[in-house]
Amino acid sequence: GAVVSQHPSRVICKSGTSVKIECRSLDFQATTMFWYRQFPKKSLMLMATSNEGSKATYEQGVEKDKFLINHASLTLSTLTVTSAHPEDSSFYICSARVGGEDHNEQFFGPGTRLTVL
Amino acid sequence: GQNIDQPTEMTATEGAIVQINCTYQTSGFNGLFWYQQHAGEAPTFLSYNVLDGLEEKGRFSSFLSRSKGYSYLLLKELQMKDSASYLCAAMDSNYQLIWGAGTKLIIKP
Repeated sequence: GAVVSQHPSRVICKSGTSVKIECRSLDFQATTMFWYRQFPKKSLMLMATSNEGSKATYEQGVEKDKFLINHASLTLSTLTVTSAHPEDSSFYICSARVGGEDHNEQFFGPGTRLTVL
Repeated sequence: GQNIDQPTEMTATEGAIVQINCTYQTSGFNGLFWYQQHAGEAPTFLSYNVLDGLEEKGRFSSFLSRSKGYSYLLLKELQMKDSASYLCAAMDSNYQLIWGAGTKLIIKP
């Protein structure tokens, strides 16, 4: 099956610093990647949809200047949390969709746990 | 609006059968997914239904009724490792997933 990796798996940073999370599709090309955030005991919340070679589409309420997304290639998307604050501490998960819009299955990365002190 | 409903928590006994229900309302419909999520981990794909009926895959089966906006996940011969959250997600007309809050399944010996 398709494999999606995320790096780092865990990160602890000081308030005010920026953190970059990488999402890679290892054995397939992903034209579309999704970034989710999960709060404790809550469902996944879609933050943004990332399309290779174009600007990401952010969900309502997600600050695009705070959560910078870059999808520079068909196998890599990055999420940068800028000027992180303790309330940004969460589990961030990416997923990649195989093929075009008519291809329905998404493959999830293992997630990145961010803790902001 | 778009909405997914599933029970918050269920308890079952090892070796038994449990059915987790999910109802959905979406703008358009392109399939219903079930994911399993162990604490602290990303969800893993279990099943995908887009046509009415039952799909069986080993100990897990998933059912869909599009006319009723209803799906269920059936787990047979429960094992302790099946203790997890089970997430129901419907894909809307934009091919985006609308997630339920998940059902925490507790398996007792």
